[in-house]
Amino acid sequence: GESVGLHLPTLSVQEGDNSIINCAYSNSASDYFIWYKQESGKGPQFIIDIRSNMDKRQGQRVTVLLNKTVKHLSLQIAATQPGDSAVYFCAENPGSGGYQKVTFGTGTKLQVIP
Amino acid sequence: SQTIHQWPATLVQPVGSPLSLECTVEGTSNPNLYWYRQAAGRGLQLLFYSVGIGQISSEVPQNLSASRPQDRQFILSSKKLLLSDSGFYLCAWSVLAGGPIGEQFFGPGTRLTVL
Repeated sequence: GESVGLHLPTLSVQEGDNSIINCAYSNSASDYFIWYKQESGKGPQFIIDIRSNMDKRQGQRVTVLLNKTVKHLSLQIAATQPGDSAVYFCAENPGSGGYQKVTFGTGTKLQVIP
Repeated sequence: SQTIHQWPATLVQPVGSPLSLECTVEGTSNPNLYWYRQAAGRGLQLLFYSVGIGQISSEVPQNLSASRPQDRQFILSSKKLLLSDSGFYLCAWSVLAGGPIGEQFFGPGTRLTVL
């Protein structure tokens, strides 16, 4: 649902370690899921997406896992780097109709410790 | 390639003053357009979306309004700002159905401080 009014949880990770950011979504009918990265003072940027007919998708250093049974989404970042420090949002999209009303999750702040 | 512009980048306004934030998109036609607000350290709140010229839908009651006078122009306005209007305002666009569904492309944002 809407993320208004919720403070961001923080995940601290040592540089070089793997990061796992979790997200619970609410709509079992959602067709598409997206992860966004937002650096301080900037707009969110697309990282990776996954369709509901998949349970895993890999990109460059990132992997998204989807568990529809428990409505859970995770983003794994391999060999975390200082440049990965940002707020990460998951988003769900019902994927129907001309208007794509994406619902953003609360967001997780990732802090990479050098 | 598509680009999205927002201005101004930062704005400090007194309570009760009017507001006009502008967003323009280049390199695409008939996009869906969105206005979001993000309070400091918090998530994204959808304020308005538009699927075409003159078509505006409001997500939450507030003293803000939006207009879409041209296909690729989206304006966020207020007649009288409140302290609670302070935040980071983001404009975004996405393709209509038939394209890569789900991905929204965000502008650089406008940081508004109401004093």
